[in-house]
Amino acid sequence: DIVMTQSPLSLPVTLGEPASISCRSSQSLQHTNGFNYLDWYLQRPGQSPQLLVYLGSNRASGVPDRFSGSGSGTDFTLKISRVEAEDVGVYYCMQALQTSLLTFGGGTKVEIK
Amino acid sequence: QVTLKESGPVLVKPTETLTLTCTVSGFSLDNARMGVSWIRQPPGKALEWLAHIFSNDAESYTPSLKSRLTISRDTSKSQVVLTMTNVAPVDTATYYCARTPRPTPLASLYFGMDVWGQGTTVTVS
Repeated sequence: DIVMTQSPLSLPVTLGEPASISCRSSQSLQHTNGFNYLDWYLQRPGQSPQLLVYLGSNRASGVPDRFSGSGSGTDFTLKISRVEAEDVGVYYCMQALQTSLLTFGGGTKVEIK
Repeated sequence: QVTLKESGPVLVKPTETLTLTCTVSGFSLDNARMGVSWIRQPPGKALEWLAHIFSNDAESYTPSLKSRLTISRDTSKSQVVLTMTNVAPVDTATYYCARTPRPTPLASLYFGMDVWGQGTTVTVS
C-alpha cells in the first residue's frame, strides 16, 4: 500500500494571507509517463469532497487560480495564495498511481484565525 | 450535467448485509474512460476508498474489506451497487460514490474523481 501523510494536521490561517499544505507518499507517485498521480480534494463543512487539483498540478474545472499544486515523486504541496473564507474545510491528498488501491492522506483542517 | 446520488438504509443491525446504490446521470457506465468508486468517511475521520468498477467490469477492492465487499453495475438502470456483508458498528459512516477515471498510461485521460455524490449516512447499531 502507498501511505499518504499530510502536514500539518490543523492550519489556522489569516484571511488574505497565503497557506501551504504538505503531502508525502511512501513511494514515488511518478508514472512511467512522467506524470505524478496525486490529487487534492477539499471537503467544506457539511459537504461532499470536491476535486481541486489532479496530476499534481492541474487545477480542476472551476477551481480558482489562487489554488496551486506542485511537487514530484514523494513530496507534494498545495498552496493557497490568498485565503478566502470559503476555503475553510479539510484538505485531502490522494494517490492514484496504485490504481487497485487508492489511498487518501489523513487530512489537513484549515480554519480562519 | 453529471450527477451521482447515493441511496441506502439509514440504520442497519450488526451482522446484517448493507446494500448501497449509486445512481448516475450525465454519463454512461459503458463509457470506456470512466467508472465509479465508493469512498466512506466515519464520523470525524478521514476518507477511505473502498472499491471501484469500470465499463469492462474490472473491479478493485481495498484489501482490508475485500472479503466483505462486492461492487456491481447495472447499465440499464445507470446504477452501481456496493454490498457489504456482516456489518459492525465500525462501519458507521457516510458513504460516497464518485466518478473515477479508468486507469490508463495516457495522462491526458486522467481527470481525478471529478464529481461526487452528496453521500448517504449509515449507522450500524
